[in-house]
Amino acid sequence: IAGITQAPTSQILAAGRRMTLRCTQDMRHNAMYWYRQDLGLGLRLIHYSNTAGTTGKGEVPDGYSVSRANTDDFPLTLASAVPSQTSVYFCASSDGQGGADTQYFGPGTRLTVL
Amino acid sequence: GQNIDQPTEMTATEGAIVQINCTYQTSGFNGLFWYQQHAGEAPTFLSYNVLDGLEEKGRFSSFLSRSKGYSYLLLKELQMKDSASYLCAVPDSNYQLIWGAGTKLIIKP
Repeated sequence: IAGITQAPTSQILAAGRRMTLRCTQDMRHNAMYWYRQDLGLGLRLIHYSNTAGTTGKGEVPDGYSVSRANTDDFPLTLASAVPSQTSVYFCASSDGQGGADTQYFGPGTRLTVL
Repeated sequence: GQNIDQPTEMTATEGAIVQINCTYQTSGFNGLFWYQQHAGEAPTFLSYNVLDGLEEKGRFSSFLSRSKGYSYLLLKELQMKDSASYLCAVPDSNYQLIWGAGTKLIIKP
């Protein structure tokens, strides 16, 4: 059992390009989340999904979009990348339908936008 | 609003005990989480407290005081592998986690 996988592991991207970060979980968890982590700041929630077919905005959603077509996959898309989106991105999942459940994290994607 | 405060960095000696504090302000309370994050890796769950008091799990214990908006993580018999960042998090009114910036713990031999 892999848990949560993310792809790519790292990416260097030119500003203005479109990029999709992939996240897949095999735990049949209802809820999934996307966070960004920047030096000196806590994890910040970008978007979340409490169950397949639904999504919600987190603390820092601007410039990002998500979809949740099925239980396992939760891709994050940057429509037109900007340098301020340089960060480490973590996908997470939890068994329930809310953030008060224990969250399990993927290994992260390190994204650099030039 | 929501706010979480943790010390930025702490240093301790191998074999010793260290206490990492976390204070929080929330409009409601639905528990408090502690996660461990080694450099370059993902956060991993350590503990969840929803009632006041101390919960012990081997070398790690977590304490909560809801009336004081305060929690601490106690690490005993420190090992070099405990060098990591320790993240405190509380759910907001929508049950989404609000995270502290983390405390980087440096263990010296």
